[in-house]
Amino acid sequence: GEDVEQSLFLSVREGDSSVINCTYTDSSSTYLYWYKQEPGAGLQLLTYIFSNMDMKQDQRLTVLLNKKDKHLSLRIADTQTGDSAIYFCAESSGNQFYFGTGTSLTVIP
Amino acid sequence: DVKVTQSSRYLVKRTGEKVFLECVQDMDHENMFWYRQDPGLGLRLIYFSYDVKMKEKGDIPEGYSVSREKKERFSLILESASTNQTSMYLCASREFNQPQHFGDGTRLSIL
Repeated sequence: GEDVEQSLFLSVREGDSSVINCTYTDSSSTYLYWYKQEPGAGLQLLTYIFSNMDMKQDQRLTVLLNKKDKHLSLRIADTQTGDSAIYFCAESSGNQFYFGTGTSLTVIP
Repeated sequence: DVKVTQSSRYLVKRTGEKVFLECVQDMDHENMFWYRQDPGLGLRLIYFSYDVKMKEKGDIPEGYSVSREKKERFSLILESASTNQTSMYLCASREFNQPQHFGDGTRLSIL
């Protein structure tokens, strides 16, 4: 299958911006997604971007897509302690769907 | 909003038991999925289904089977539970070319 890679851990201070990065290998990706998983819970869809877009903004979240480099990022502005969670990047093409291993974000008060 | 409901949040079973994990979605989605999640290994796909009575093996199907008798329900079956099947199990559904929507997960312990 295709590879979707993320760094495992990220720590930021409350109020700072967080940037979570993801790289993928499937050049035919149609959509790219960011999910959030809080402890003991399922995955919650945060946002997604169509592959012909460069950027999508939704309140404190900004998604940037560099299709040439196959690089996706999620920026969280004014990070709060409630943003502490695991963040999964995913990409899909038709019926194929691939997840990264997740980035654990810790927000330090 | 899409609702994916898994029948149990926590489940404790014994080695050798037959275990059923149930998942129901309310959005008439064609596709349904079962994953297991283990620390450091991310999400691993066990089985998926594109339609009623249809199933496809994922990356780690050994020791599991599935049933999809109705469109809204996708069941995961552990034929003879073993301790290495202790894990978090996640069900998801989606429509073609749309995001997957997840249930809250079932944390299964096999003693």
